Amino acid sequence: DIQMTQSPSSLSASVGDRVTITCRASQSISNYLNWYQQKPGKAPKLLIYGASSLQSGVPSRVSGSGSGTDFTLTISSLQPEDFATYYCQQSYNTPWTFGQGTKVEIK
Amino acid sequence: QVQLQESGPGLVKPSQTLSLICTVSGGSISSGNYYWSWIRQPAGKGLEWIGRIYSSGSTNYNPSLKSGVTISVDTSKNQFSLRLSSVTAADTAVYYCARDRRDRSVWAFDYWGQGTLVTVSS
Repeated sequence: DIQMTQSPSSLSASVGDRVTITCRASQSISNYLNWYQQKPGKAPKLLIYGASSLQSGVPSRVSGSGSGTDFTLTISSLQPEDFATYYCQQSYNTPWTFGQGTKVEIK
Repeated sequence: QVQLQESGPGLVKPSQTLSLICTVSGGSISSGNYYWSWIRQPAGKGLEWIGRIYSSGSTNYNPSLKSGVTISVDTSKNQFSLRLSSVTAADTAVYYCARDRRDRSVWAFDYWGQGTLVTVSS
């Protein structure tokens, strides 16, 4: 199985901050990398697919980059609705696997 | 707008079989380049993909669970289902169904059900 490792596990930030979350795959996965946002008690929501493609309806302050084994999710100016947990997920090989999550909290 | 809704017992006894159904509305389960997946999340923990099915019945399973998992589809009812046998307390989790969409050759979960909590306890 491909292991996905996110860093940091949690971070504290203020509204307006630029936030970057990193995801590393245990082997090259080309651009087969997706990012999700999950709020407490809710299902995850797709933000980015194919490492950098913005899902319809997701604000442009959210962006993704990377290829191979190293990927980043960036929120350019953190808004109150962005405080949540973020997961990366690889779709290069089944079984699909997720990172352990990064919780973004209010400073 | 596609919607998915999980249904099934919220409490299952150890060693018994967990059975859930996902009903898809707002679109046909047979149309488009989609698989239909089950994913679970123990309380306070991360996400684990269980497996997926195509409308033809073709399946992929997570080998860590494969021996006890069966995913099936009923296109006439626009539903797909999960059966997990011989459950233990470790199978207690919120179970989600999701649509696995292929776009530019990349698979991603673009629609999710709200999730249903299944507790394994005697």
